[in-house]
Amino acid sequence: TQLLEQSPQFLSIQEGENLTVYCNSSSVFSSLQWYRQEPGEGPVLLVTVVTGGEVKKLKRLTFQFGDARKDSSLHITAAQPGDTGLYLCAGVRSGNTGKLIFGQGTTLQVKP
Amino acid sequence: EAQVTQNPRYLITVTGKKLTVTCSQNMNHEYMSWYRQDPGLGLRQIYYSMNVEVTDKGDVPEGYKVSRKEKRNFPLILESPSPNQTSLYFCASSRTSGRSRFYEQYFGPGTRLTVT
Repeated sequence: TQLLEQSPQFLSIQEGENLTVYCNSSSVFSSLQWYRQEPGEGPVLLVTVVTGGEVKKLKRLTFQFGDARKDSSLHITAAQPGDTGLYLCAGVRSGNTGKLIFGQGTTLQVKP
Repeated sequence: EAQVTQNPRYLITVTGKKLTVTCSQNMNHEYMSWYRQDPGLGLRQIYYSMNVEVTDKGDVPEGYKVSRKEKRNFPLILESPSPNQTSLYFCASSRTSGRSRFYEQYFGPGTRLTVT
């Protein structure tokens, strides 16, 4: 059983389109993080959301933490080929110290 | 340059032959962790360490050992590797104070292990 369910698992879109990736759980998380991973490299942190309802923006990327701190979303506006990669959400459940849970990941391909 | 290093980057070995994958970080981070990455399963935590001499099991610890004798190093030991341990392994580190109490991970470049 995956504690953090990411959807969709695969996404292939044209340059300029918008997309949203979801990260859902039945558990409450003290924080959720989003990472991006490119082939042959380790994941790189994009953002951490901490407060229920929090919205953070990173250029064309918008991250939201659900009010109940059980889910998060990543929205990309006007996707570019440079956005291609594997996107991973991760978090620490409330009351659990140090144990990180990762979603299965969303593979995004943006075609020029 | 702040970084997490892993060695070796690639390893092919045979069933039962003990091996160690080293991990070192130069950021004075308290927290270190090992993950394995398999297609469709994302990253799964093997072991983590909150500080020197403190280690805890993650979600998939069976068949692995770790030790944290120094703050900068966190080796992963496979005493008797089996084919189902063929995977891509990542080491990561994080601070655990202030804002970084959220365990924002700095990852190493990965070690691709094949056990035949």
